[in-house]
Amino acid sequence: AQSVAQPEDQVNVAEGNPLTVKCTYSVSGNPYLFWYVQYPNRGLQFLLKYITGDNLVKGSYGFEAEFNKSQTSFHLKKPSALVSDSALYFCAVTGGYNKLIFGAGTRLAVHP
Amino acid sequence: EAGVAQSPRYKIIEKRQSVAFWCNPISGHATLYWYQQILGQGPKLLIQFQNNGVVDDSQLPKDRFSAERLKGVDSTLKIQPAKLEDSAVYLCASSQAGGQGRGTDTQYFGPGTRLTVL
Repeated sequence: AQSVAQPEDQVNVAEGNPLTVKCTYSVSGNPYLFWYVQYPNRGLQFLLKYITGDNLVKGSYGFEAEFNKSQTSFHLKKPSALVSDSALYFCAVTGGYNKLIFGAGTRLAVHP
Repeated sequence: EAGVAQSPRYKIIEKRQSVAFWCNPISGHATLYWYQQILGQGPKLLIQFQNNGVVDDSQLPKDRFSAERLKGVDSTLKIQPAKLEDSAVYLCASSQAGGQGRGTDTQYFGPGTRLTVL
């Protein structure tokens, strides 16, 4: 069965520093991986996805993610964090019929 | 391009009452999804429609939850009767894919309906 794990409940980073939000996956077959962000009282916003090709995927708002097949990881990164990046981040993998299987989420707190 | 619309945004009901949520997907999107997000957890798929047919409802508690997508556009999700454990945010999403999908389609989410069952 497809699954993702987000090992950190919360990540704290200072504004201007690089940030990483971790995600590992377990799939049978080709992994199709997604990152979404959720702001308070808002729905999920799509950031980026990995389907095939280049292991470094660039997405919205300056975020990128690195696909690593040997480590079964798909970590979300940003070179310089902003206070406005503070939100809840979800990693997901697609299961049957295109449904998304989400991790538990990681809360990112960026401090001024 | 308008996003996914949902209403109401908030709903408070007593247990054993019924409630309905409405979703209007992005125009032209063939596939519509309803997810349940319990506080502190990631969203979980309840039901998936392709046009007006059900593709996956394996995690829908069918004794109390029902959903329909008439004419392959808008959808409603109903809970009757509600239980305390149904307190959650109900998210609707849509994607463009018309076929079964290879798992690569991007889903776009609405703002959600926050349900509180007292």
